[in-house]
Amino acid sequence: DGGITQSPKYLFRKEGQNVTLSCEQNLNHDAMYWYRQDPGQGLRLIYYSQIVNDFQKGDIAEGYSVSREKKESFPLTVTSAQKNPTAFYLCASSKQGSTDYEQYFGPGTRLTVT
Amino acid sequence: SQQGEEDPQALSIQEGENATMNCSYKTSINNLQWYRQNSGRGLVHLILIRSNEREKHSGRLRVTLDTSKKSSSLLITASRAADTASYFCASYSGGYQKVTFGTGTKLQVIP
Repeated sequence: DGGITQSPKYLFRKEGQNVTLSCEQNLNHDAMYWYRQDPGQGLRLIYYSQIVNDFQKGDIAEGYSVSREKKESFPLTVTSAQKNPTAFYLCASSKQGSTDYEQYFGPGTRLTVT
Repeated sequence: SQQGEEDPQALSIQEGENATMNCSYKTSINNLQWYRQNSGRGLVHLILIRSNEREKHSGRLRVTLDTSKKSSSLLITASRAADTASYFCASYSGGYQKVTFGTGTKLQVIP
């Protein structure tokens, strides 16, 4: 089955630690995205990548970093510089960056930092 | 970017009834999409409506768009218990990098 996987489903970290969230897709999509969702809120774009080895900041990139070394993979690192990292993180992909192509979402990772 | 707004924030209806939820956005758009999110899960794409369209149907879903009022509505007809979820609108002023999500409507369909 084609799709997007995110791991782990739940992640707990101590304040001051960096943590990396995994996102893998086997849909052969060029574009990938990371969103953050806070309780009772819509999604906000953290980073996006239109193609391998290229990525751009979204609306709330501060305290986050990404890499795109392979087409299938777009890991997100939440650094200790992120002031309020506890949230639900969603990864998505689309065939290209145009909204003419449907966006597919992974199941999400819930990060709790204490 | 600022969040779009949806209303109502929560809606509870009986199975078989229709559910209507509304979305407002702030900037000019290329298109608007509606998504469903089951509790604690990822989003599922429901329907896309372009800025030059006024109404679109997909199965039991009907979406309208009024660009003069910067608003859209999603109607789910003959609701089922399985429709229980949160529904989000997302307005796009370019590609997927130019997006504003609404705050969502939490729909509960009572069997």
